[in-house]
Formats: sequence, structure tokens, C-alpha cells
Amino acid sequence: AQTVTQSQPEMSVQEAETVTLSCTYDTSENNYYLFWYKQPPSRQMILVIRQEAYKQQNATENRFSVNFQKAAKSFSLKISDSQLGDTAMYFCAFMTSNSGNTPLVFGKGTRLSVIA
Amino acid sequence: DSGVTQTPKHLITATGQRVTLRCSPRSGDLSVYWYQQSLDQGLQFLIQYYNGEERAKGNILERFSAQQFPDLHSELNLSSLELGDSALYFCASSPLGGTYNEQFFGPGTRLTVL
Repeated sequence: AQTVTQSQPEMSVQEAETVTLSCTYDTSENNYYLFWYKQPPSRQMILVIRQEAYKQQNATENRFSVNFQKAAKSFSLKISDSQLGDTAMYFCAFMTSNSGNTPLVFGKGTRLSVIA
Repeated sequence: DSGVTQTPKHLITATGQRVTLRCSPRSGDLSVYWYQQSLDQGLQFLIQYYNGEERAKGNILERFSAQQFPDLHSELNLSSLELGDSALYFCASSPLGGTYNEQFFGPGTRLTVL
């Protein structure tokens, strides 16, 4: 079974600074997908960024980028120029590659606070 | 707005009772997933339906059941409720396979069991 570990329960960062959230996972699969979801106080789950395991290039979405290290089974999220609206729980998630219709396995989450 | 709707938003009930949570997926999405978010267990996958058929089962209790109807909406039935069932229940939907694998989450139903 796949597992996802987020070792930082809470983090804080100053506005406009950069912060990196860690995620490691365990799987015997070779093809899979990794995601970062954001859950603000509204509780809505919002996809931040995703990475296909077969792609060597790290995904980037505006201020959000990942450092995907397949051999180390590591998938960290970097948030640049942090904004107050980035304050939220961040969940790392794993999905096996099976026609794209498989459940997500989530880590326990990291609570990020952006301080003015 | 993800396009996934869930009703009700909040539900307060007593132990031993039965409730039904409803989910309407995005237009055209055939897969529906149910997840439970509780303080101690985090986000856990419960069950998945694909075009009316059960596709995968996670940590779903025997007291819980689900189904997906011909119009693709889904219902999660929780019975003999216990205090520990208090949680946020999410429904998510995803389009047919291929390279696009995002799951779109609904706003959730917050269940409180007193």
C-alpha cells in the first residue's frame, strides 16, 4: 500500500518570503501522479500543482513549484513570494496511474501560516 | 467553484441515527469518490463509484454504504452513527481516464454527531 508522509505539522513564513513544504511517499509503482492540495479556512480542497512521475521536469504553477526526486521518493512544494492568502493546510497526495481513475492517498497535512 | 455540489452543508444528529449525504459530480464526470476528513485520521478514502458501479473501496465501515445513480449523482449513507463519525465528508469527481487526473472536490458536508 502506498503511504504519504508530511513531516512538518506546522510552518510559518513571512509575507513575500519563500517556504518549502516537505513530502515523502512510499510505493512500488513506477507510474503514478503526485499532487499538492490547499485547504484554506473555508475547507474547500483546491488543487495547487501536480506532477506526473514519468516526467523529469519539475512542475511549476506561477509562484508554486515542486522539487520531485523520484529515486528518493520526495515531492516538496516551494511557495515563492508568499502571500497572506496562502495561509492554509497543504496536503500532499499520491495517485497510482490506472487510467486516471484511482483514489488519492493523502498525507496528514502541513498547516502554513503567512505572517504580515 | 469546482462544479461538484454536496448537500447538506451541515448536519447535526444524534448517536444511533442514520443520515444520507448527497453529491452531484461535475457534468460529464463518471467517477465519484467519497473521502472522510477527521481530526485524528486526516483525509481518508472511503469508496469510489464509476458509472454506477463500485470501483474501489477504502476504509469504509460496514455501517456506511454508498451508491451512484443513473444520473451519476451519488449518496453516502451512514447508519448507527457514533460520536467518532463526526467529520467533514468530501465528494470528488474526475473525468474519464487519460492524462488528465485531477479530482474536483465538492465543498463538503460537515457531520456532527451528538
